[in-house]
Amino acid sequence: KNEVGQSPQNLTAQEGEFITINCSYSVGISALHWLQQHPGGGIVSLFMLSSGKKKHGRLIATINIQEKHSSLHITASHPRDSAVYICAVSSPSGGAQKLVFGQGTRLTINP
Amino acid sequence: GAGVSQTPSNKVTEKGKYVELRCDPISGHTALYWYRQSLGQGPEFLIYFQGTGAADDSGLPNDRFFAVRPEGSVSTLKIQRTERGDSAVYLCASSLKWGAGANVLTFGAGSRLTVL
Repeated sequence: KNEVGQSPQNLTAQEGEFITINCSYSVGISALHWLQQHPGGGIVSLFMLSSGKKKHGRLIATINIQEKHSSLHITASHPRDSAVYICAVSSPSGGAQKLVFGQGTRLTINP
Repeated sequence: GAGVSQTPSNKVTEKGKYVELRCDPISGHTALYWYRQSLGQGPEFLIYFQGTGAADDSGLPNDRFFAVRPEGSVSTLKIQRTERGDSAVYLCASSLKWGAGANVLTFGAGSRLTVL
């Protein structure tokens, strides 16, 4: 079974700071997902990637398949970015039903 | 519907009771997933439907848990003889099986189950 680890577990920063959240996994994957979960809210899919880099607004996700590592970056962070960010991976033999999730990184952006 | 709808949003029950949690996926999404999220943890896979059939139920913790999707749309997760350890947020997600949106999950807001 793939082991997915995220760091840091908790992160507090000031508005405007550049944020990096890291995800590492132990076994080769077919895709990696970054998800956002607001307190009391549902989970929103931010990115699904299998190589390289993707960008959406102030969010950037990168993945290094050889290193089994992905990062989620937030530029010009804002208090509304405060949420739990979850990394999840799917194995080559399975689809989304076999997603293995990290424990999440709780991000707090102070004004 | 526009999103994945889950009901109830909160359920408090007593140990030993039977509980049903409902998920209404996005219209046209043939793939439906149930996950369970305990406090401070990431979600854990329970069961996956492709159409009406359970394609993978390997995540169900024991035979007290069962899920159905009789018409390939709405799904119900059923928990018999609930235990305190069943307390968690039960998340439902759906996706397209094929095409550009395949495997991109849309999650519901979850059903928070508390077993006293």
